[in-house]
Amino acid sequence: AQRVTQPEKLLSVFKGAPVELKCNYSYSGSPELFWYVQYSRQRLQLLLRHISRESIKGFTADLNKGETSFHLKKPFAQEEDSAMYYCALPFGGFKTIFGAGTRLFVKA
Amino acid sequence: EAGVAQSPRYKIIEKRQSVAFWCNPISGHATLYWYQQILGQGPKLLIQFQNNGVVDDSQLPKDRFSAERLKGVDSTLKIQPAKLEDSAVYLCASKAEGASTEAFFGQGTRLTVV
Repeated sequence: AQRVTQPEKLLSVFKGAPVELKCNYSYSGSPELFWYVQYSRQRLQLLLRHISRESIKGFTADLNKGETSFHLKKPFAQEEDSAMYYCALPFGGFKTIFGAGTRLFVKA
Repeated sequence: EAGVAQSPRYKIIEKRQSVAFWCNPISGHATLYWYQQILGQGPKLLIQFQNNGVVDDSQLPKDRFSAERLKGVDSTLKIQPAKLEDSAVYLCASKAEGASTEAFFGQGTRLTVV
């Protein structure tokens, strides 16, 4: 069965420190994974998708099929990165399942 | 382009009452989702439409929840009767064709059942 696991509910780092938000997935096919972000009082929105291999707001994510992971990384966290982050797995052409989310708190 | 519109933004009802939520997806998006997001959890899919047909409603509590998407555009989600555990944010999202396309979310409707 398809599953997305984000093991950390809360991640707290200091400004300027590296940050890694973990995501592991379970999927029998070839996965296409996304990271969504929800800033305070804003709607859920796409941050990045692995297929485009892009860096958005300094964040990158590499798909590791051997470890079935898609961790989100940023070398130097900023206060405005504080938000809820959700890893998502679209499958079956139309469906998308979300992880439980990780709240990132960047301290000054 | 205009985003996904949802109304109302907030709703407070007593248990056993009925409530309805409305969603207007992005123009041209064939796929529409309703998600339930309970505090502290990720969004959980309730129902998914492809145009006006239901693709997946396996997690919809059909004894009390119903949804429709007449004409394949706007959608309504209804709860009747509501229970305390239905308190959550109800998110509507829409997506264009293709597995790699992103889902666009509305602001959500925060439901509180007292």
